Amino acid sequence: AQKITQTQPGMFVQEKEAVTLDCTYDTSDPSYGLFWYKQPSSGEMIFLIYQGSYDQQNATEGRYSLNFQKARKSANLVISASQLGDSAMYFCAMREGAGFQKLVFGTGTRLLVSP
Amino acid sequence: DTEVTQTPKHLVMGMTNKKSLKCEQHMGHRAMYWYKQKAKKPPELMFVYSYEKLSINESVPSRFSPECPNSSLLNLHLHALQPEDSALYLCASSETGRNSPLHFGNGTRLTVT
Repeated sequence: AQKITQTQPGMFVQEKEAVTLDCTYDTSDPSYGLFWYKQPSSGEMIFLIYQGSYDQQNATEGRYSLNFQKARKSANLVISASQLGDSAMYFCAMREGAGFQKLVFGTGTRLLVSP
Repeated sequence: DTEVTQTPKHLVMGMTNKKSLKCEQHMGHRAMYWYKQKAKKPPELMFVYSYEKLSINESVPSRFSPECPNSSLLNLHLHALQPEDSALYLCASSETGRNSPLHFGNGTRLTVT
């Protein structure tokens, strides 16, 4: 069964606008970690932000923030003031399994920022 | 610059060749990973090493053989690959624990002819 669901294959946003990328997850474990990664066309996976299941506050890292709604099992990424360099593939991921050794990715959302 | 270094960046090999992908990290991480990523798909986990021991093998065919010579190095030995094995191979490292992000290398783009 799909553990991480990203329902938006592609998103478009204008420069300087904010954009929200959706992510829902499925787990019965009360302890888990959620991550967002950016993958530009060059291929490297860049870690953006982390949210722990027990964290009381939404995570923020610069222009990135995570809208964490635990009861709805959603962890949406919000990018404020979009820049042209934000154009990339974005993956939501969750650690799972014994010892939380596995990082499992959603199918990704391609974001295109236009001038 | 990434703190996880992968070599080579690109590799073209025939189905009868033997080659190796190399990965090195100097962040003191005790977990290292190999992922395979096909075009327009998410990365798929292949192997996990924890404290230099293989802890997860996601039913990967034996033509892929991982090796962890020490805590900083991770190799992936390739033999008798098929064209469908052509993909981006990503190495990553992390501290252990649920809140530790994986730090990825830039990947090796493998083409099997």
